Amino acid sequence: KNEVEQSPQNLTAQEGEFITINCSYSVGISALHWLQQHPGGGIVSLFMLSSGKKKHGRLIATINIQEKHSSLHITASHPRDSAVYICAVSSHNNTDKLIFGTGTRLQVFP
Amino acid sequence: ETGVTQSPTHLIKTRGQQVTLRCSSQSGHNTVSWYQQALGQGPQFIFQYYREEENGRGNFPPRFSGLQFPNYSSELNVNALELDDSALYLCASKSSPTNYGYTFGSGTRLTVV
Repeated sequence: KNEVEQSPQNLTAQEGEFITINCSYSVGISALHWLQQHPGGGIVSLFMLSSGKKKHGRLIATINIQEKHSSLHITASHPRDSAVYICAVSSHNNTDKLIFGTGTRLQVFP
Repeated sequence: ETGVTQSPTHLIKTRGQQVTLRCSSQSGHNTVSWYQQALGQGPQFIFQYYREEENGRGNFPPRFSGLQFPNYSSELNVNALELDDSALYLCASKSSPTNYGYTFGSGTRLTVV
């Protein structure tokens, strides 16, 4: 079993829909990261959080430390949101090493 | 200079050859990590350098080696290339010991034939 699990693996949506991607982890963490990867491969860091909730534009990330679970929400989705969204955690044992989930591939159609 | 720059962007090598991938860290970042991402998979940690010293390593054989230079730029070297080494290699930098996040490069796509 992977230390970081994401669901769903693939997600399609119509433009304007509200989207939720989930991440569960089994290790003690110092922080959880949500990343966005476009087809060219480059990764953009969206959020780093260790508690509560963060919001940036149409993106919202929440984390529940007790349940070892995080969600990434996209409101009013747009075709340009199409990408792979990756959850990664910094473990307690090595705060600089990231453990990645396998990603959620999102496609938003107009 | 801002951002993390990786070179080359694409590379084709023959099995058994050696390859060097380069990463220029974001200004002010003293920690660099390298990751291997196979097609359809999440990135896997190769190793990390902090102030020119390796301070963490994933489950990769010794033919994967690295360097970090005084200006905090970094190299990943892979000897005796195997077909399974074909992947996207990502470099990420951060400033330690602060608790800020990582800045990622766009990656080098290596194909071994």
